[in-house]
Amino acid sequence: SQTIHQWPATLVQPVGSPLSLECTVEGTSNPNLYWYRQAAGRGLQLLFYSVGIGQISSEVPQNLSASRPQDRQFILSSKKLLLSDSGFYLCAWMLSSYNEQFFGPGTRLTVL
Amino acid sequence: RKEVEQDPGPFNVPEGATVAFNCTYSNSASQSFFWYRQDCRKEPKLLMSVYSSGNEDGRFTAQLNRASQYISLLIRDSKLSDSATYLCVVVLRTGNQFYFGTGTSLTVIP
Repeated sequence: SQTIHQWPATLVQPVGSPLSLECTVEGTSNPNLYWYRQAAGRGLQLLFYSVGIGQISSEVPQNLSASRPQDRQFILSSKKLLLSDSGFYLCAWMLSSYNEQFFGPGTRLTVL
Repeated sequence: RKEVEQDPGPFNVPEGATVAFNCTYSNSASQSFFWYRQDCRKEPKLLMSVYSSGNEDGRFTAQLNRASQYISLLIRDSKLSDSATYLCVVVLRTGNQFYFGTGTSLTVIP
């Protein structure tokens, strides 16, 4: 069966510090991968998605970036965090032949 | 105009009640539809897909009305464990375009 992992689970970072969140998927090959952010009391905002290694599409211009160095690894980064980057970051995967997305446990980021 | 709109609630219902949520979408080219459940401070989990003919999974019934562009979720015989936020999701035909509603909060009261 497929599983998706995210780490860390929680993170508290000062403004201006860098960020690296990691997501890995097991039990499947060539999944579509997604990064979402959910701010307090708001819906999910799609940040990036990837259909393959090295292929990244950005949905929202911002100080975040994403990379996919391996088939089942998706990384979300920032060089300098802003207060507005606080939120619940969710990674999701999907097989291209289906439309159901499955989410990882998320990383709760607080920028102070 | 938002792609997907949901009544945020909250819905507070007694155990055993029947409750229904609606979700409207703006793009008639939308192809796939889902309901997700999200518990407090947890990730969303797929509850069920929504098929054109309507579908049922135990106490849960999902329906799609393409003419009026809305989907619905009906929960019968509510349990305490049904308390959560329910998110509707609409996928455009072009793929990789998933639109999540902001969620409807449900609390089932003993």
